[in-house]
Amino acid sequence: SQQGEEDPQALSIQEGENATMNCSYKTSINNLQWYRQNSGRGLVHLILIRSNEREKHSGRLRVTLDTSKKSSSLLITASRAADTASYFCAPWTNTGGFKTIFGAGTRLFVKA
Amino acid sequence: KAGVTQTPRYLIKTRGQQVTLSCSPISGHRSVSWYQQTPGQGLQFLFEYFSETQRNKGNFPGRFSGRQFSNSRSEMNVSTLELGDSALYLCASTPGTGAYEQYFGPGTRLTVT
Repeated sequence: SQQGEEDPQALSIQEGENATMNCSYKTSINNLQWYRQNSGRGLVHLILIRSNEREKHSGRLRVTLDTSKKSSSLLITASRAADTASYFCAPWTNTGGFKTIFGAGTRLFVKA
Repeated sequence: KAGVTQTPRYLIKTRGQQVTLSCSPISGHRSVSWYQQTPGQGLQFLFEYFSETQRNKGNFPGRFSGRQFSNSRSEMNVSTLELGDSALYLCASTPGTGAYEQYFGPGTRLTVT
């Protein structure tokens, strides 16, 4: 596994707006995952996109992956106050087992 | 299925003491990873166990150790506690092979005084 770096560090939007956060990584990957952490539900897996996929949707989440640029983005549409959380990306490379190195994350604040 | 459980949820210890934290993975999951989360350092990987063997290790001193039992439950131990060990300790489980999503427990909040 390797570390992803999320950008921006913090994001503040109004309820109903879309939120986009980005992730960059350094070497080739097998897949990339996004996680969310808030005080209520802890750290939760959101979505996984494989290296041969370019886009994936799950409810209000849309993830894109550009392996040529070694980057991914997470779009949350029609944000709600409950989306307020820190979001982390986790690029995964098969090096035998798990050694997820999380970045600092993007702190999203959705104002009601 | 029941989720990942961690015990205890909160713990207060004194410098120099040692502590043992426990993690019970989701039934059928064979891989357990441990993480330390602090405001200053963020989420840091400690180690991963799979089928009772340590498969990966992060950059932590030898005071941090762990083990996994045959039922996949895992414990981590921190000896000679320091103030800087105050943190939220999270464990995560996965099936271990062919699946990549990690399922996290609620964490153990350790305070060292």
